[in-house]
Amino acid sequence: EPEVTQTPSHQVTQMGQEVILRCVPISNHLYFYWYRQILGQKVEFLVSFYNNEISEKSEIFDDQFSVERPDGSNFTLKIRSTKLEDSAMYFCASSEDQTLRAFFGQGTRLTVV
Amino acid sequence: DAKTTQPNSMESNEEEPVHLPCNHSTISGTDYIHWYRQLPSQGPEYVIHGLTSNVNNRMASLAIAEDRKSSTLILHRATLRDAAVYYCILRTQGGSEKLVFGKGTKLTVNP
Repeated sequence: EPEVTQTPSHQVTQMGQEVILRCVPISNHLYFYWYRQILGQKVEFLVSFYNNEISEKSEIFDDQFSVERPDGSNFTLKIRSTKLEDSAMYFCASSEDQTLRAFFGQGTRLTVV
Repeated sequence: DAKTTQPNSMESNEEEPVHLPCNHSTISGTDYIHWYRQLPSQGPEYVIHGLTSNVNNRMASLAIAEDRKSSTLILHRATLRDAAVYYCILRTQGGSEKLVFGKGTKLTVNP
């Protein structure tokens, strides 16, 4: 079965630093997403991306966050000036169509110290 | 977003069927019923989805009530690997692209 790949699996960063989380969605998919899950809490939607632009974002996705699809295969989430509360699992997902199944990656565990 | 209600937890024995219920009394005609699950330390995984008719795939079956106000995810023979949190999510055709995850049902499978 096709897979969404995320790197790194674990990232430790100092508070105030910038991090870039990387994702390779499934090749023929058109819709891309980032979600996060703080330890012990629900999976929360951050942003969706279609046709090279953000199509929807949550209140969490403020100016600290940005997404990019730099080369037609990678999909990145940049977090500027990380805070302790940004520590979470970040999941990338992709889908062929917005109503069809979404495929999730295994996640990047971000730890801000 | 249309709301779903699921029990916090359920328990089953290995190799027995499991019926995971979901109530969605405010469902609209264009809402698809999706089920995802999340195994420990993994990303969510699609299980099945349907609109009106019952659906079967290699992982599970989805039974949808005639009035569509509830549905049941059926695992025909639970294995230890099925221990996970199961999420029932409504997605509106032509609506928001996001999946809204609730707390789901934590399924424990006993050997």
